[in-house]
Amino acid sequence: GNSVTQMEGPVTLSEEAFLTINCTYTATGYPSLFWYVQYPGEGLQLLLKATKADDKGSNKGFEATYRKETTSFHLEKGSVQVSDSAVYFCALKRLRGSQGNLIFGKGTKLSVKP
Amino acid sequence: ETGVTQSPTHLIKTRGQQVTLRCSSQSGHNTVSWYQQALGQGPQFIFQYYREEENGRGNFPPRFSGLQFPNYSSELNVNALELDDSALYLCASSPGQGGYGYTFGSGTRLTVV
Repeated sequence: GNSVTQMEGPVTLSEEAFLTINCTYTATGYPSLFWYVQYPGEGLQLLLKATKADDKGSNKGFEATYRKETTSFHLEKGSVQVSDSAVYFCALKRLRGSQGNLIFGKGTKLSVKP
Repeated sequence: ETGVTQSPTHLIKTRGQQVTLRCSSQSGHNTVSWYQQALGQGPQFIFQYYREEENGRGNFPPRFSGLQFPNYSSELNVNALELDDSALYLCASSPGQGGYGYTFGSGTRLTVV
């Protein structure tokens, strides 16, 4: 079936460190891929997305490239800030008929220390 | 432009009771989806409503049901509550059925005791 696996956290980094959060997926067909972020006490916010192989999604300094050959969509940021502390979810979307529900990974908690 | 509003923010129910959660979709959005997020887990798709009809459902039993109203707001009803139903329930609206352009609400934290 369709599923998303992401690295377990928590991940603790110092400010300005390089961030990588690994995400791999299993899916039939050609899904779209997403990273969502959840700040404490809030809902999910779309961080970036990619809809086809080799696409690179980017936003707020975060990047992820859709790698079909390795079925991966790793999240990276060159220099994290304390304000990036949150839980990050990798997700895929498949279309079945007219439905487009998201399938999420378990989430990776990131803590950035000053 | 208002976002997605969910109510209540928190509630506590007893096992066996019934609960109704509410969601107001973002202006211009006609599709509402509900997700269950257990503690430490990613959200899981419950169902989706488009033009007042359910048009997609995840692996949840029939005691999870919903409604969508003409103004596109929605309700999630859960009957015969079980302890495992304790979770954050997220509503997301989107401008179409395809699942793009989701806007999530902040959720309702349900605790079943």
